[in-house]
Amino acid sequence: QVHLVQSGAEVKKPGASVRVSCKASGYTFTTYGLVWVRQAPGQGLEWMGWISTSNGNIAYAQNLQDRVTMTTDTSTNTAYMELRSLRSDDTAVYYCARKGGPYGSFDSWGQGTLVTVSS
Amino acid sequence: QSVLTQPPSVSGAPGQRITISCTGRSSNIGAHHDVNWYQQLPGAAPKLLIYGNNNRPSGVPDRFSGSKSATSASLAITGLQADDEADYYCQSYDIGLRGEVFGTGTKVTVL
Repeated sequence: QVHLVQSGAEVKKPGASVRVSCKASGYTFTTYGLVWVRQAPGQGLEWMGWISTSNGNIAYAQNLQDRVTMTTDTSTNTAYMELRSLRSDDTAVYYCARKGGPYGSFDSWGQGTLVTVSS
Repeated sequence: QSVLTQPPSVSGAPGQRITISCTGRSSNIGAHHDVNWYQQLPGAAPKLLIYGNNNRPSGVPDRFSGSKSATSASLAITGLQADDEADYYCQSYDIGLRGEVFGTGTKVTVL
């Protein structure tokens, strides 16, 4: 059974950076890419980017590409998302999801990581 | 940024049929990119509900169905049940933005 387990909640000050991890199990990690999606309080879903777990190819959302970095560690089947220069409007639940479903759908999701940015 | 537009809310009585629209443009749904739908129960992570416009993953009841035409897509729920109360999101790919896009989301209320 596919599982994506994310790191715990974080509280950061404006201007700081945060790194969220996503550990995969139950399938061959390098077979499917991973996406990161965030959801601000009471708001909708926002796609942040995609990373290939086999060759490291990456695509970032245009509005975040200057502040976000996505990486993977195939030795531990873990993906990471780092967001820099945090602002209050970066406060959100951050999800990783496997882009493994047919037609490029996101078929398994992590439990989410709440990142709070506050002075 | 949401470039797929959904109604903010849809409601129906138990047993009724409701539909949720997802309106896109020529750079996403109209560019022949497929539409996926997700259900997000309160306090939970999203769950894949429909993929490839009209296909259900294993375990999703056949009360849920999807369709797509031109620059829009729809999700239909028949035999509405209390545990269908959730937020629903469509998702596709946008060639102008060079990335995935989600709909604005629709809250379904069972009266």
